[in-house]
Amino acid sequence: DQQVKQNSPSLSVQEGRISILNCDYTNSMFDYFLWYKKYPAEGPTFLISISSIKDKNEDGRFTVFLNKSAKHLSLHIVPSQPGDSAVYFCAATSNDYKLSFGAGTTVTVRA
Amino acid sequence: DVKVTQSSRYLVKRTGEKVFLECVQDMDHENMFWYRQDPGLGLRLIYFSYDVKMKEKGDIPEGYSVSREKKERFSLILESASTNQTSMYLCASSLMDRVGYGYTFGSGTRLTVV
Repeated sequence: DQQVKQNSPSLSVQEGRISILNCDYTNSMFDYFLWYKKYPAEGPTFLISISSIKDKNEDGRFTVFLNKSAKHLSLHIVPSQPGDSAVYFCAATSNDYKLSFGAGTTVTVRA
Repeated sequence: DVKVTQSSRYLVKRTGEKVFLECVQDMDHENMFWYRQDPGLGLRLIYFSYDVKMKEKGDIPEGYSVSREKKERFSLILESASTNQTSMYLCASSLMDRVGYGYTFGSGTRLTVV
């Protein structure tokens, strides 16, 4: 039973526009959330994270929002660039060193 | 930069074979993990280890075992490979107290069991 869910398997967005990726979780013990990016034939790479004591964290073009009451987080990419085309995984942990991952969302940025 | 190296990018094995997947990290990380990635299922944890000779089952350990004799090396063993173990296998490592910074992953091993 997946505790982290990414219900949109794919997203297509025009270059320069905003990409919004969504993630829901069921485990109320999760207290740290991360986003990973994965290109084909490569391992996932860490993108951005947020602690449960915050509701927003920003790093350049990437912003993660956390809504604890709704058990929902989102990743905003502004502006989207062709190099952002990849699979994005949402992950969460309750600080027991294990990450639980979602199924991933494939983002395609159109020129 | 932390490097996690998986010994093979692609492997093709026959049903019933014993398969070893090797992973080495070079930054003295305490934690090491094995995940498999399947379409629509994301990354699922098979086994992890937080110290030499220590191991714990993840979410899907059936059909797998692991070995960690040295801190830098974590091996995944398929005792008798089956076709449903065809998958992308990803090794990762992390510092014990830096889980918030996430894992460092290897490039993956694409295993096909025929």
